[in-house]
Amino acid sequence: NAGVTQTPKFRVLKTGQSMTLLCAQDMNHEYMYWYRQDPGMGLRLIHYSVGEGTTAKGEVPDGYNVSRLKKQNFLLGLESAAPSQTSVYFCASSTTGGNQPQHFGDGTRLSIL
Amino acid sequence: TQLLEQSPQFLSIQEGENLTVYCNSSSVFSSLQWYRQEPGEGPVLLVTVVTGGEVKKLKRLTFQFGDARKDSSLHITAAQPGDTGLYLCAGGIGTYKYIFGTGTRLKVLA
Repeated sequence: NAGVTQTPKFRVLKTGQSMTLLCAQDMNHEYMYWYRQDPGMGLRLIHYSVGEGTTAKGEVPDGYNVSRLKKQNFLLGLESAAPSQTSVYFCASSTTGGNQPQHFGDGTRLSIL
Repeated sequence: TQLLEQSPQFLSIQEGENLTVYCNSSSVFSSLQWYRQEPGEGPVLLVTVVTGGEVKKLKRLTFQFGDARKDSSLHITAAQPGDTGLYLCAGGIGTYKYIFGTGTRLKVLA
């Protein structure tokens, strides 16, 4: 029972490089989310999706793009990485209906030099 | 911008002590969730409270949602080393979005 799987787990980039973080869930959840976690700031929502083919901006969307071509996958892209994007990135998913728990992956630790 | 402030930010206590963590906002939330996160892992849901004034108990953990649904508290009785972790509250906005608090890092010493 995999739940939410994030790849890669660690990555180091140079400023200006691009990369894509992959999130896959096997629970048939409609909603998926990308957060970043920085010291003392909790989790901040970057983008989210309420279904296949849909995406929406969260609190801190600048510098990121997302795609939800398949229900089970939610991709987060950094087109031109900046040191300010050094963070731990978490993907989460939940089923429909109010007040549902979010199921999180184990995170991707990203460092931008 | 909706904010959720948690206090204290850090807490180090001895095994067997009681503690309370607070989660406060000026905004009204549709629900309030509490998560615990351990190093190298994602947060795991502990409880969801929905109704103002609601109290839920999970073994030694007691969660309360404020009457006005703007704040919440987590009380741990007789803390154990296994309770060590980062505690996060999350306020519900509508049916599928949440704002997370700043987190309380708890360390329980044996």
